[in-house]
Amino acid sequence: DAGVIQSPRHEVTEMGQEVTLRCKPISGHDYLFWYRQTMMRGLELLIYFNNNVPIDDSGMPEDRFSAKMPNASFSTLKIQPSEPRDSAVYFCASSFGGLDTQYFGPGTRLTVL
Amino acid sequence: DQQVKQNSPSLSVQEGRISILNCDYTNSMFDYFLWYKKYPAEGPTFLISISSIKDKNEDGRFTVFLNKSAKHLSLHIVPSQPGDSAVYFCAASARNTDKLIFGTGTRLQVFP
Repeated sequence: DAGVIQSPRHEVTEMGQEVTLRCKPISGHDYLFWYRQTMMRGLELLIYFNNNVPIDDSGMPEDRFSAKMPNASFSTLKIQPSEPRDSAVYFCASSFGGLDTQYFGPGTRLTVL
Repeated sequence: DQQVKQNSPSLSVQEGRISILNCDYTNSMFDYFLWYKKYPAEGPTFLISISSIKDKNEDGRFTVFLNKSAKHLSLHIVPSQPGDSAVYFCAASARNTDKLIFGTGTRLQVFP
């Protein structure tokens, strides 16, 4: 298996622009998680899905952030409009069963100028 | 409010010695704890876990200890190897939830 796939690996954009991050989970996994990593707060859970349904989005920082999972093999995290404080590494992870080992993608490093 | 705290941002250990990484938590509902390891430009990978019904779990060179009364867990790596140099994240979850709460990470450097 190729593991969790994220794209793009790096994204540089200007403040106010829309940013879309993409994730393909491991086939057969029924949970998908979006995290954000910053120096100050470590790994923060933004939102997670079970069987494509959002279960908990309490970690989404603002209405500027939205996430979708239209099918079992694809999810997006969108930021509109982006701000410099959104600069971070965003990880997608998937698992079979909620607390089973989560497999992380390589992350997307987002820089908002 | 950080429910999972890793108060040491970095640790440097000589090869062959023991590395001890610490983690404290505040939520008494947490009952499952994990350690993840992260190399640069890669996503975190699962290392070892422990349930609250145990106070120790061992896997090769890695041992996790849990002290529930102190709300403290630690990861011991012995002997440490240069390949262990990475960022280590502690994570916790509460029963009946599917989400993990991560700490801020500790960067371990193992030098020859």
